[in-house]
Amino acid sequence: KQEVTQIPAALSVPEGENLVLNCSFTDSAIYNLQWFRQDPGKGLTSLLLIQSSQREQTSGRLNASLDKSSGRSTLYIAASQPGDSATYLCGSRGSTLGRLYFGRGTQLTVWP
Amino acid sequence: SAVISQKPSRDICQRGTSLTIQCQVDSQVTMMFWYRQQPGQSLTLIATANQGSEATYESGFVIDKFPISRPNLTFSTLTVSNLSPEDSSIYLCSVESQGVTEAFFGQGTRLTVV
Repeated sequence: KQEVTQIPAALSVPEGENLVLNCSFTDSAIYNLQWFRQDPGKGLTSLLLIQSSQREQTSGRLNASLDKSSGRSTLYIAASQPGDSATYLCGSRGSTLGRLYFGRGTQLTVWP
Repeated sequence: SAVISQKPSRDICQRGTSLTIQCQVDSQVTMMFWYRQQPGQSLTLIATANQGSEATYESGFVIDKFPISRPNLTFSTLTVSNLSPEDSSIYLCSVESQGVTEAFFGQGTRLTVV
């Protein structure tokens, strides 16, 4: 069974900082990995999807990397803003059209 | 991307009662999943909703407690039965389509059992 760990559990930074959120997984035979954002009490918003054959995926100020051999993915947030405050979750998928295995998330607070 | 409408967004229920959550998608999807997120925890898969047949439940989840229907390719319901305070969680539906291996989620249903 895939186990996903996210570090740190919580992060509080001033506006403007560049951040790295970490996600590690035990089974390197993943199909793809997805990063999500969750606002308090809400559903998940997909941020980036990175396929197992890719090493990086970028969207605006967000960049996700994937290293299957070491079982790690990172989400890089450039020039953080207060509106980035949320919980960030990573989910790994073992096969096409399969369920996701999630970490507990990193709760990010960006203060002005 | 799929647009998912999940209802209700929140509810407060008495113990011993049941709550049915609806998930409506704006297009036909191949897979529909139901997850539970307990306070401070990550998402746990309850079951995969199968169109026209019984749902596939994960270990620790049973049909009597979490009956699921999926009458067509755009709609599913999850019922949480015989509610207890331990059922207080956020429940989320998720969808995926053939050829688009990206998961999309509904807005979630925050259930509080008193």
